[in-house]
Amino acid sequence: GDSVTQMEGPVTLSEEAFLTINCTYTATGYPSLFWYVQYPGEGLQLLLKATKADDKGSNKGFEATYRKETTSFHLEKGSVQVSDSAVYFCALTPGGYQKVTFGTGTKLQVIP
Amino acid sequence: DAMVIQNPRYQVTQFGKPVTLSCSQTLNHNVMYWYQQKSSQAPKLLFHYYDKDFNNEADTPDNFQSRRPNTSFCFLDIRSPGLGDAAMYLCATSTPARPDTQYFGPGTRLTVL
Repeated sequence: GDSVTQMEGPVTLSEEAFLTINCTYTATGYPSLFWYVQYPGEGLQLLLKATKADDKGSNKGFEATYRKETTSFHLEKGSVQVSDSAVYFCALTPGGYQKVTFGTGTKLQVIP
Repeated sequence: DAMVIQNPRYQVTQFGKPVTLSCSQTLNHNVMYWYQQKSSQAPKLLFHYYDKDFNNEADTPDNFQSRRPNTSFCFLDIRSPGLGDAAMYLCATSTPARPDTQYFGPGTRLTVL
C-alpha cells in the first residue's frame, strides 16, 4: 500500500537557519503530495502541495518539489522563524477524495 | 470565517462509558472525515462520509460509530472506550471541487480513565 516516510525529529534550529525536512513516499500511479503543519493545540493546516512531477509547491517561504525519480518531496525554508515551531506532516493522496496517507510527523523547534 | 469546529476540545471519560465527539462545518463541504491521532503518530483515518454515504476503513474497530444527520454536522460515537482509545480525534472536510485538499478542525483530545 501507499506509505510516507519522513525524517524523525525533533529538529532544533536557531532563528534564520536553513531548514530541510526529508520526505520520501511509496505509491502506485501518480499521487498528489502535501505538507501539513500542526501548531501546538491546533488542527492540521495545509502548508503546500504539488500534484505532478517537477511541480514546486510554495507558501509562507516554504518550498517543496515533487521528485518522481527519487520519490521525494523534501520541505525547505531558507530562514526559519520562532513562529515556524510546529509539527510538519508529509502526506499523499492518490487522488479524488480518497484518504490521505500521512507520515509520522517531524517536530521543529526554532530557538531565538 | 468558514471553518471546521470540534466540541469539546478536551473530553475525559471513564473506561467503558460511551462518549460522543462533535464536528460541525460552515464550509458546506460534501465530504467529512474522522481521524484518530495517537501521541507522536500520524493521523489514521477511521471513516468518511460523502454526503450521506458512509465509508468505513477496514481496520476501524466496531467500537467506533459515526452519524451525519445533515451536511453541517458529524458525530463520532465510541461505544465502550478503552485505555487504548485515548487520542486526539480530528475532523476534516473536503469538496469535490478540490478533492485533494482537506480542511481540519482543531481536534478533540480524549482521555480515558
